Amino acid sequence: GENVEQHPSTLSVQEGDSAVIKCTYSDSASNYFPWYKQELGKRPQLIIDIRSNVGEKKDQRIAVTLNKTAKHFSLHITETQPEDSAVYFCAASKGGGADGLTFGKGTHLIIQP
Amino acid sequence: KAGVTQTPRYLIKTRGQQVTLSCSPISGHRSVSWYQQTPGQGLQFLFEYFSETQRNKGNFPGRFSGRQFSNSRSEMNVSTLELGDSALYLCASTLGGSYNEQFFGPGTRLTVL
Repeated sequence: GENVEQHPSTLSVQEGDSAVIKCTYSDSASNYFPWYKQELGKRPQLIIDIRSNVGEKKDQRIAVTLNKTAKHFSLHITETQPEDSAVYFCAASKGGGADGLTFGKGTHLIIQP
Repeated sequence: KAGVTQTPRYLIKTRGQQVTLSCSPISGHRSVSWYQQTPGQGLQFLFEYFSETQRNKGNFPGRFSGRQFSNSRSEMNVSTLELGDSALYLCASTLGGSYNEQFFGPGTRLTVL
């Protein structure tokens, strides 16, 4: 089955700096890659997603890049703010997510004031 | 539109007992997925139901089962509870097609003593 590796497990950045979280996946048939943000004690919430026919997608300060050849995708957050502090999960799926998501182990992002 | 709801929010059981958790999806959503979240293993896919049928299943033992009703509400059952079943159980609903966002419920925190 699919395996998703996520790095780093903890990332501390200064407020205003950029943060990058990287994931690799094993199943070349995966075609949908969402990113979720989970604040302490809250439910995961989708922040951005990308399909395998797209190389990059951006939404304000958040962007995701996908390299299908290397089976690698990344989350980029620019101009980080205190409210960006949370655990971020990447995920991969075949069938556009309809067959369940395989998640990475998560990255605890800490924004230092 | 009301979000995904889960009941109960907290549950304490002892080893060997069984438990049933409930999930009510967003109105109009026909697919419900279940995930187990633990500090060690992260978010793991249990199974997904669409129109009362289990379409996909993760790598969990047969003690974990589920069902979906005609109104799309879903239940999951865990029999013969083990200490390792202590976790946050999250359900997520989606329209059911591909590339649709999965909306998570608040989860049920299960503690097995």
